[in-house]
Amino acid sequence: EAGVTQFPSHSVIEKGQTVTLRCDPISGHDNLYWYRRVMGKEIKFLLHFVKESKQDESGMPNNRFLAERTGGTYSTLKVQPAELEDSGVYFCASSQGQGFNTQYFGPGTRLTVL
Amino acid sequence: EDQVTQSPEALRLQEGESSSLNCSYTVSGLRGLFWYRQDPGKGPEFLFTLYSAGEEKEKERLKATLTKKESFLHITAPKPEDSATYLCAVQVDYSWGKLQFGAGTQVVVTP
Repeated sequence: EAGVTQFPSHSVIEKGQTVTLRCDPISGHDNLYWYRRVMGKEIKFLLHFVKESKQDESGMPNNRFLAERTGGTYSTLKVQPAELEDSGVYFCASSQGQGFNTQYFGPGTRLTVL
Repeated sequence: EDQVTQSPEALRLQEGESSSLNCSYTVSGLRGLFWYRQDPGKGPEFLFTLYSAGEEKEKERLKATLTKKESFLHITAPKPEDSATYLCAVQVDYSWGKLQFGAGTQVVVTP
């Protein structure tokens, strides 16, 4: 069974540009989460999809971040315009069934904003 | 405010030298406590879930335990391949399943 995949693995952009990160969850997993780790701090929650609906977006830092999950399959996280403080590693995780089940993580996308 | 604190920040062990990592938490309504292992450049890899005080789980050289205030991850006779960052995370009842992570413990096991 394929695990969670993320693309790209690394992105380097300039301040003010736009970047879109993609996550493909494990097949059949209704729950999809986005997390990020910035500047050596702990991993922090961004938002949670159940199928195509946003269940919890309490961790989204501001309106420069837009997440979508078309058709309840893959998800994209767009940062527009990117700021220096957005640099970090963005992780996606998925789980099956109810939201409290085990979450399986992807390898992450390292975003560097210059 | 919910808090998850891991100690120590870093741990250097000789091969075969057993030790324990600590994860203390202050949350209202613990739903579950998770241990993950993370290797450099990779995502967190699931190890264990603990749900209630007194629960224990084992996998190879790793054993996780849970009390009402903290969890321990015991590493018995570690090998160099156990070198990694070990992450603790909690889920609380009033969330929708989101994980709140500690900062992690970086473990290095030398031959």
